[in-house]
Amino acid sequence: DAGVIQSPRHEVTEMGQEVTLRCKPISGHDYLFWYRQTMMRGLELLIYFNNNVPIDDSGMPEDRFSAKMPNASFSTLKIQPSEPRDSAVYFCASRPSRDYTYNEQFFGPGTRLTVL
Amino acid sequence: GQQVMQIPQYQHVQEGEDFTTYCNSSTTLSNIQWYKQRPGGHPVFLIQLVKSGEVKKQKRLTFQFGEAKKNSSLHITATQTTDVGTYFCAGRVTTNAGKSTFGDGTTLTVKP
Repeated sequence: DAGVIQSPRHEVTEMGQEVTLRCKPISGHDYLFWYRQTMMRGLELLIYFNNNVPIDDSGMPEDRFSAKMPNASFSTLKIQPSEPRDSAVYFCASRPSRDYTYNEQFFGPGTRLTVL
Repeated sequence: GQQVMQIPQYQHVQEGEDFTTYCNSSTTLSNIQWYKQRPGGHPVFLIQLVKSGEVKKQKRLTFQFGEAKKNSSLHITATQTTDVGTYFCAGRVTTNAGKSTFGDGTTLTVKP
């Protein structure tokens, strides 16, 4: 299995531009999570999906952020317009449902976003 | 909302010394997971604890889940340079459908 795939791995953009981050979860995993990691705020959960449906988006910072999961094998996180404070590493993670006690999340390699 | 706190934030040790990080939740957890993130890498799952008072070992690593299921610890015996990285705990509450709340992590550096 290829693991969770994220693209791009690095993104440098200018303030005000639209940024789209992409994620392909592991096949068969029906939970997908988007995290943001910074030195100041640590690892923050932004939103998660179950069976392509957003379940909890309370971590999305503001309306400039949006996430979609059009099918089981693809999700996007969009920032429009981007701001310098959005600079961070964005991780996508997935896991299967299995039973209630199973919680191992598989993280992708991350996208390092720099907004100038 | 649920909060998961980890201490210490940073730990610097000499190679061969022991290391412990502690995780405390504001609410009772149904289970807790531990992850390790190497510098420049992504979090990688280490283990999950489910039962009250549970203790699990992975070579030099010992994981414990408190009796009240509100705290946990990770202990590394005789650290090696390969142990460097940030260790996160992540707790899940019974009423939560799918997510785990991550602590802020403990960053370990090991001096050879």
